[in-house]
Amino acid sequence: DAGVIQSPRHEVTEMGQEVTLRCKLISGHNSLFWYRQTMMRGLELLIYFNNNVPIDDSGMPEDRFSAKMPNASFSTLKIQPSEPRDSAVYFCASSLGAGGSTGELFFGEGSRLTVL
Amino acid sequence: KQEVTQIPAALSVPEGENLVLNCSFTDSAIYNLQWFRQDPGKGLTSLLLIQSSQREQTSGRLNASLDKSSGRSTLYIAASQPGDSATYLCAVRGTEYGNKLVFGAGTILRVKS
Repeated sequence: DAGVIQSPRHEVTEMGQEVTLRCKLISGHNSLFWYRQTMMRGLELLIYFNNNVPIDDSGMPEDRFSAKMPNASFSTLKIQPSEPRDSAVYFCASSLGAGGSTGELFFGEGSRLTVL
Repeated sequence: KQEVTQIPAALSVPEGENLVLNCSFTDSAIYNLQWFRQDPGKGLTSLLLIQSSQREQTSGRLNASLDKSSGRSTLYIAASQPGDSATYLCAVRGTEYGNKLVFGAGTILRVKS
């Protein structure tokens, strides 16, 4: 299996620009998690989906952030407009099941975002 | 609110030593606990998953134990090697809090040759 695939791996953009990060789940998985990692705050859960439905988005920083799952195997995380404090590594992870599931979580390689 | 603490924050050992990394969590109502490894600039690699009904899991030189009632887990690494140098994170999936996986801050391990 190819694992969780994220793109782009690196993105450098200017403040105010729109950023779209993409994630492809492991085939057969039905839960999708977006995390953000910074030195100061460690790993933070932004949002997670189960069967394409957002279950908990309480970690999304503000309205500038939005996430979608247009189909069962793909997700996007969009930041519009981007700000320098959004600079971080964004990870996507997937597992089989949620809400009481015992599924192991698998991470992608991450998208490193730098907002100038 | 579930809180996960990892001790020590950093550890430096000579090659060949056996070592223990500690993880504690405040709410024992969990489904499972997972140990990850993260290399610099890389994603997280799952090492071991322990279900709440289990006491330990083993994979090669790694052994993870779970004492749910006391809110503790340990990751034991036998005969450490320079290639084991990485950040090790534990994460707990609770039965509440939306079944989120809550991460500790990690232990940075350096194994010297």
